[in-house]
Amino acid sequence: DQQVKQNSPSLSVQEGRISILNCDYTNSMFDYFLWYKKYPAEGPTFLISISSIKDKNEDGRFTVFLNKSAKHLSLHIVPSQPGDSAVYFCAASARYKLSFGAGTTVTVRA
Amino acid sequence: NAGVTQTPKFQVLKTGQSMTLQCAQDMNHNSMYWYRQDPGMGLRLIYYSASEGTTDKGEVPNGYNVSRLNKREFSLRLESAAPSQTSVYFCASSLATGQGGYTFGSGTRLTVV
Repeated sequence: DQQVKQNSPSLSVQEGRISILNCDYTNSMFDYFLWYKKYPAEGPTFLISISSIKDKNEDGRFTVFLNKSAKHLSLHIVPSQPGDSAVYFCAASARYKLSFGAGTTVTVRA
Repeated sequence: NAGVTQTPKFQVLKTGQSMTLQCAQDMNHNSMYWYRQDPGMGLRLIYYSASEGTTDKGEVPNGYNVSRLNKREFSLRLESAAPSQTSVYFCASSLATGQGGYTFGSGTRLTVV
């Protein structure tokens, strides 16, 4: 029973345009949400997070939006760069466990 | 380079063999975790240790055991490997359990034949 879902396994975007990654969750007890980025043969690295008491958090080119009523969060990358090509995992935290989505592979085209 | 170190990076086992995956962190983190990554499944928590001296089961603990040897080290043991345990295993650590950015190791790719 996957509580965090990323329904788009892949996303292709042109360099300089916006990348929008989506994530849905089912557990209303989740109170902290994170995005991780993963390159091949490396471990995931923390990208950006948001607490459930906020609806937006920005860090440079990365912005995460949280819609609690819809149990939905999204990650916006503007502008997309070739180095952004990676797998992005959405994650959500409740008490002692961090649950991950299946990941979205982003490819930035020149 | 500070962070989480996992050994080995690659391993091939025969069905029924045992092995231990090692993990060490040098960030003085309290909590440590073992995840497995399978295609289309994301990362699933096997076991975690909220603090030195404690361990708890995650989503998929069957077939595994863990030891929190000290604050730095958290090992994962497969007593009798099965082909279903073919996966990429990641160790992670964090200052506190369940929140904040976890720091992951680079992974161990395990194949059970």
